[in-house]
Amino acid sequence: NAGVTQTPKFQVLKTGQSMTLQCAQDMNHEYMSWYRQDPGMGLRLIHYSVGAGITDQGEVPNGYNVSRSTTEDFPLRLLSAAPSQTSVYFCARGGIVSSTDTQYFGPGTRLTVL
Amino acid sequence: AQSVTQLDSHVSVSEGTPVLLRCNYSSSYSPSLFWYVQHPNKGLQLLLKYTSAATLVKGINGFEAEFKKSETSFHLTKPSAHMSDAAEYFCVVSDPESSGDKLTFGTGTRLAVRP
Repeated sequence: NAGVTQTPKFQVLKTGQSMTLQCAQDMNHEYMSWYRQDPGMGLRLIHYSVGAGITDQGEVPNGYNVSRSTTEDFPLRLLSAAPSQTSVYFCARGGIVSSTDTQYFGPGTRLTVL
Repeated sequence: AQSVTQLDSHVSVSEGTPVLLRCNYSSSYSPSLFWYVQHPNKGLQLLLKYTSAATLVKGINGFEAEFKKSETSFHLTKPSAHMSDAAEYFCVVSDPESSGDKLTFGTGTRLAVRP
């Protein structure tokens, strides 16, 4: 998985519950990002970070929070889960230092919100 | 704004026959383009990328893609399909001049390979 680990692999939540999706990299790359993948929509950027202490919103940030206290970790928080957040979530490292950089993706977390 | 269109949501080929997955993009004059593959229940793996060097890009597993600026296309090809090529393929564009280096994904093409 190109040095990106995600936990858990699967999760079921009830509406209104909160949880944190974990993402860690072992390559010390400055840039990390979170995507969600929904059928027929490709991947959409939720939040990204260009270094420790720096985060920014992507295309679909509502309902999600992130923080980047260390270079290695980039957790994604759902404060109050909604059924619309049922999706597969991918964390990635790399990219954006320059447009020629490659993003490497973790194995994904499959989240279901009931 | 940058965008990418994958012209086929599903492609089915017989094993041993050529593969063509089509991708058109909208961007400024110097985008970076990528193809990623996703096998069932797996993460995304980079197949190849174009970054303004040679217009014909060779990737892993026998895949290649040709950047055609005049046609704004970046189609993915393979001379002979293998059963293990069955997966979903994503065309991705990155254009720092219009979107600050963010990646924009196509909606994906699911490739089926018949025995």
